[in-house]
This record gives sequence, C-alpha cells and structure tokens, in this order.
Amino acid sequence: GAVVSQHPSRVICKSGTSVKIECRSLDFQATTMFWYRQFPKQSLMLMATSNEGSKATYEQGVEKDKFLINHASLTLSTLTVTSAHPEDSSFYICSVPDPTDTQYFGPGTRLTVL
Amino acid sequence: AQTVTQSQPEMSVQEAETVTLSCTYDTSESDYYLFWYKQPPSRQMILVIRQEAYKQQNATENRFSVNFQKAAKSFSLKISDSQLGDAAMYFCASPGASYPTGGPPRGRDDKIIFGKGTRLHILP
Repeated sequence: GAVVSQHPSRVICKSGTSVKIECRSLDFQATTMFWYRQFPKQSLMLMATSNEGSKATYEQGVEKDKFLINHASLTLSTLTVTSAHPEDSSFYICSVPDPTDTQYFGPGTRLTVL
Repeated sequence: AQTVTQSQPEMSVQEAETVTLSCTYDTSESDYYLFWYKQPPSRQMILVIRQEAYKQQNATENRFSVNFQKAAKSFSLKISDSQLGDAAMYFCASPGASYPTGGPPRGRDDKIIFGKGTRLHILP
C-alpha cells in the first residue's frame, strides 16, 4: 500500500501554545487528504477534508479557527492546533485516498497538552 | 445520513480457529467500495481487505475473506487460521461517494465512515 508519513509522532506542549502536525504522501500526489482524531478506545472521527488549492472542509462541530489546515502542495497537508488546551489531547491521524477511495493512513501523532 | 454498524464490541477466538466479524451499513448509493481496516496496538491503521460493491464475487486476501450481501447491506469479515498477530481493533468502513452506474467505480476523493470497531482477542 501507499506510504504516508506524519511528523511528529509525539508532541507535548503547554496549554495555550500552538502545535503543527505534518502529513506527507510519499507515493503519489493527492489533491485531498483527511484528518481524523481518535480518543482512547474509540473509533476514528473525521475532523476535516484538506483540499489542495482551496479551503479545507470541516465536519460539523469542528472549529475551523482552532484546527487550521493548510494543503501546501500535492504531497503535504498540515494541521495546526491553535491555543491548545488539555481537552485537545488526542491521537491525530491523517489519510490519503488513492483513485479508488482506498485510504492509506499515516502512523498518527499523539498530542498531549499540559 | 450514512452509517456503519459493528455490533460486536469485543470478540475472542482460539488460535488457528476461524472468526467472523459483522458489519452492516446504510447507503443509498448503488456502486461503492467497502473496507476493513485493522488497528494493532501501534495504532497504525492497516487496510485488510476491500470489496467493490458492483462485483458479485466476495473479496479474498489470504486468510481474510468477506461475506458481502448487498441487498442486506451486510459486509462481514472472516479470518481463518487465526494468528496471535491478528489481535487488534478491526474497523469496517464505507465511503460516502457515489459513482456512475454501469461500470466500475471511478473513485473520488470522498470521506470514509467508520464503525465503532470490534476488538479481537486471540487466545493461545
């Protein structure tokens, strides 16, 4: 399957700071990427669809000003958690779809906000 | 709204035995893909198997196979000869895209809807 990388794999930050997470598609170009968050022992919850060259599409209930998404190129999308608070602590995962909508996932980023 | 239901939060199976994980979904589309993903303790999501809804034949990948019942909107995963490495969380997923009828899905960059997952334990 396709290779998707995420950086960093773990990050610990203080409350009120911003954290940027990168997602890279290493095998093919992607006009669309997806960002999910996953709480312990729960399923993946789609946060937003990252669109190259246009604004991201956010799911209902996800604050677009808090979770900034930038699809900088056909292989890179970034998620910035702004003014992070302890309740933002979670596991964030990105995915890249191939032409058949099969999604390939990054290894995830564990965010801990103190 | 499209939904995916996995009714078994946890299951256990003896090593080398066979286990079936159930999944039902709800979609108004006629052509689509369905997926099973595995999430081991590392939390890396791994594609297990994919089924194209317009195909009658059930997908098979080595020890993994599906029982796809389109009319019933059922998509179960069968794992044969279970191994210790199969222990993981298994998620069924259905995309929200629609495709033109009469041919294979062209594929679009559309989102995936996940079930709540089934945690599979393998007993040695």
